[in-house]
Amino acid sequence: DVKVTQSSRYLVKRTGEKVFLECVQDMDHENMFWYRQDPGLGLRLIYFSYDVKMKEKGDIPEGYSVSREKKERFSLILESASTNQTSMYLCKSFDSSSYEQYFGPGTRLTVT
Amino acid sequence: EDQVTQSPEALRLQEGESSSLNCSYTVSGLRGLFWYRQDPGKGPEFLFTLYSAGEEKEKERLKATLTKKESFLHITAPKPEDSATYLCAVGYTGGFKTIFGAGTRLFVKA
Repeated sequence: DVKVTQSSRYLVKRTGEKVFLECVQDMDHENMFWYRQDPGLGLRLIYFSYDVKMKEKGDIPEGYSVSREKKERFSLILESASTNQTSMYLCKSFDSSSYEQYFGPGTRLTVT
Repeated sequence: EDQVTQSPEALRLQEGESSSLNCSYTVSGLRGLFWYRQDPGKGPEFLFTLYSAGEEKEKERLKATLTKKESFLHITAPKPEDSATYLCAVGYTGGFKTIFGAGTRLFVKA
């Protein structure tokens, strides 16, 4: 019954490292999203993609980039990790006709 | 300013004690209002989508309703396993962007 998977549950990286977070969905959804969730700030949208190779900035894109080369896969890249990017990262897959949507289990990233 | 506000921040109930969670919103061009359940350390689990005022959706002990300015998540005779954070979000025109509320932490004691 796997629907959305994320490459790691927990990740520890050093400041300045390049970090890749990967999300894979098996529902053939066009739309995929990356959020971060922080206590007191809720979920905030980083980037989303509505088709292969298409992307749009969310509310907090600074310091992040994304890649969508295949429909089922959406990657979030931290070009040079910083301590303020320590957070829970959540991927979402979304069907715009039915509004069916699923989140992945999340990746808790710690940058030291 | 587009905004989603959930209240209360936390709610403690006895098993069987029914109550409601509130989600008020101010967005232009609502496309859908979404409710989720989130357990600690996990991703949110989608519960409902409501599209227009007057609409209601039910799932087990949960019932969601929508007006033009707010949504309620009614919990009837809750059980300890209903303990979780309940998130509300609205999707609005301009794309598939959604604004999330901060959530209501529900604790149900046996």
